[in-house]
Amino acid sequence: NAGVMQNPRHLVRRRGQEARLRCSPVKGHSHVYWYRQLPEEGLKFMVYLQKENIIDESGMPKERFSAEFPKEGPSILRIQQVVRGDSAAYFCASSPRQGKETQYFGPGTRLLVL
Amino acid sequence: GDSVTQMEGPVTLSEEAFLTINCTYTATGYPSLFWYVQYPGEGLQLLLKATKADDKGSNKGFEATYRKETTSFHLEKGSVQVSDSAVYFCARGSYNTDKLIFGTGTRLQVFP
Repeated sequence: NAGVMQNPRHLVRRRGQEARLRCSPVKGHSHVYWYRQLPEEGLKFMVYLQKENIIDESGMPKERFSAEFPKEGPSILRIQQVVRGDSAAYFCASSPRQGKETQYFGPGTRLLVL
Repeated sequence: GDSVTQMEGPVTLSEEAFLTINCTYTATGYPSLFWYVQYPGEGLQLLLKATKADDKGSNKGFEATYRKETTSFHLEKGSVQVSDSAVYFCARGSYNTDKLIFGTGTRLQVFP
């Protein structure tokens, strides 16, 4: 009964390094969503992907951030040249299909940029 | 644009008190509405949902009713427990995509 899995759970990077966050959706789910939670704030949508396709990236910064969900393997959120303002909790969610479906969330990756 | 507004916290209650956390949403279309709960250091767990007007979502003693006329989805529980202490997020589906739009969260602290 594996739910959404994310790793690492905690990630420390120095300014200018790259951060790679991984998300394995619930088995059989082909829709993945990434959200960012800044300290003491709610979650903000970043990007929505289906297998091999980006459906909606309206919430993702245009520079330094990218996301993919390959045919095989986990979804990856990649942050290049991290800055202190990138420190946040990054949550992945998955759902089985489009529409008014419940999204199931992973435990999150807490990124700290020194 | 689409948004969700929920009452600011923290909400501090004694055990067995009645809980209400207010949530209102912008009325673009007829979105699904959700309450998620986040325990310290963990991810979000779905608490309850409602997909159309007048639907009532319920789980673990919590309830919320989809009120189209007041664009609200207030969370209620008749008797809270210490173990209910967490941050509660109200969320709506968006009009033309599948992303969720969250409120800022309300921290609930229940004391024995």
